[in-house]
Amino acid sequence: AQSVTQLDSQVPVFEEAPVELRCNYSSSVSVYLFWYVQYPNQGLQLLLKYLSGSTLVKGINGFEAEFNKSQTSFHLRKPSVHISDTAEYFCAVIQEDAGGTSYGKLTFGQGTILTVHP
Amino acid sequence: DSGVTQTPKHLITATGQRVTLRCSPRSGDLSVYWYQQSLDQGLQFLIQYYNGEERAKGNILERFSAQQFPDLHSELNLSSLELGDSALYFCASSVGHANEQYFGPGTRLTVT
Repeated sequence: AQSVTQLDSQVPVFEEAPVELRCNYSSSVSVYLFWYVQYPNQGLQLLLKYLSGSTLVKGINGFEAEFNKSQTSFHLRKPSVHISDTAEYFCAVIQEDAGGTSYGKLTFGQGTILTVHP
Repeated sequence: DSGVTQTPKHLITATGQRVTLRCSPRSGDLSVYWYQQSLDQGLQFLIQYYNGEERAKGNILERFSAQQFPDLHSELNLSSLELGDSALYFCASSVGHANEQYFGPGTRLTVT
């Protein structure tokens, strides 16, 4: 079964500093990778996605992520964070089997709480 | 606003009761997914429907069932509720299978 590991449960950082939230997934024939953000008492908002093509993907709010197949990682980065980036971030994967069938279900990591301090 | 709507926003009910959660997907999306978010289990996939048919099942209890109607809205039915069923229930929709999913605001279920 597919698994996703977010290596840090909490990441504190000062405003305007860079940040990296780490995500590793278990190897599969083919994967589609996503980062979602959840603000307090809200639903999940899609930050960015990797479906195919360039391994560096850019998302909303200045976030980007790099797909590294050899290291089975999909780390999220932002060069300069704002107070408003304080939220919980989830890495998620859709797995495609050897026959090319995607079941569509998202497997989520446990989440990383990013806290930006002034 | 993702375009996915869920009702109700909050639900408080007693153990042993039955509730129905409703979801309307984004316009044009054929796939609907249900997820449960709890402190101890995190975000877990429950079930997927595609154009009215069940496509995949996850860790969904037998007391839970779902369906997708011809107008593509979906309902998740939870019966014989237990305290441990208290959680946030999210609906998501997508165009197909290997596409990004857009989440609704969730229904917070509290079982007392």
